[in-house]
Amino acid sequence: SAVISQKPSRDICQRGTSLTIQCQVDSQVTMMFWYRQQPGQSLTLIATANQGSEATYESGFVIDKFPISRPNLTFSTLTVSNMSPEDSSIYLCSVAPQAAGNTIYFGEGSWLTVV
Amino acid sequence: AQSVSQHNHHVILSEAASLELGCNYSYGGTVNLFWYVQYPGQHLQLLLKYFSGDPLVKGIKGFEAEFIKSKFSFNLRKPSVQWSDTAEYFCAVMPTNAGNMLTFGGGTRLMVKP
Repeated sequence: SAVISQKPSRDICQRGTSLTIQCQVDSQVTMMFWYRQQPGQSLTLIATANQGSEATYESGFVIDKFPISRPNLTFSTLTVSNMSPEDSSIYLCSVAPQAAGNTIYFGEGSWLTVV
Repeated sequence: AQSVSQHNHHVILSEAASLELGCNYSYGGTVNLFWYVQYPGQHLQLLLKYFSGDPLVKGIKGFEAEFIKSKFSFNLRKPSVQWSDTAEYFCAVMPTNAGNMLTFGGGTRLMVKP
């Protein structure tokens, strides 16, 4: 398995501001993923972040709104830009360690509330 | 694109009752299948997974799931639930050619009455 730490765990943000979420993994992983879980809903993939390349965004998500950095094999950040109440969600970092085959592990999530 | 359906959105059971949560997916190729659980206020945890081999897989806490390829299903079962099983359960599918990308079902909220 992998130990995934996310910061912040919770935050209340003002409309129009931006917040960067950090994801730290205890081992080197090639692939990292960012998901969003809106209140009462399931998880939706935002983007895939591979080290050394631009993140790949899913339909409905754009780099200007959710810029992602992946500076090394153990760390990534997701920024939620120009936030509105609709961005209130749990944002989850996940990884696929090579030793785990195709199993995906999730961080504890960052609960953002935009007011 | 693949999709995952969990037909039971909310399930309420009494302790010791048997549980079966449905999961169907739409994808014509080979898939890996997962069930995740999210206890109240906690993060997602892997319950069990199927990659290949025996279609009946056993997971943690007495859960099991059966992959029926002809029905595109991966239903989760537990013979006797406990109050501590109260959680939200998510089925997820990963096509083997999708680069570790998961597609989640809508989730099933299970409440077990003591």
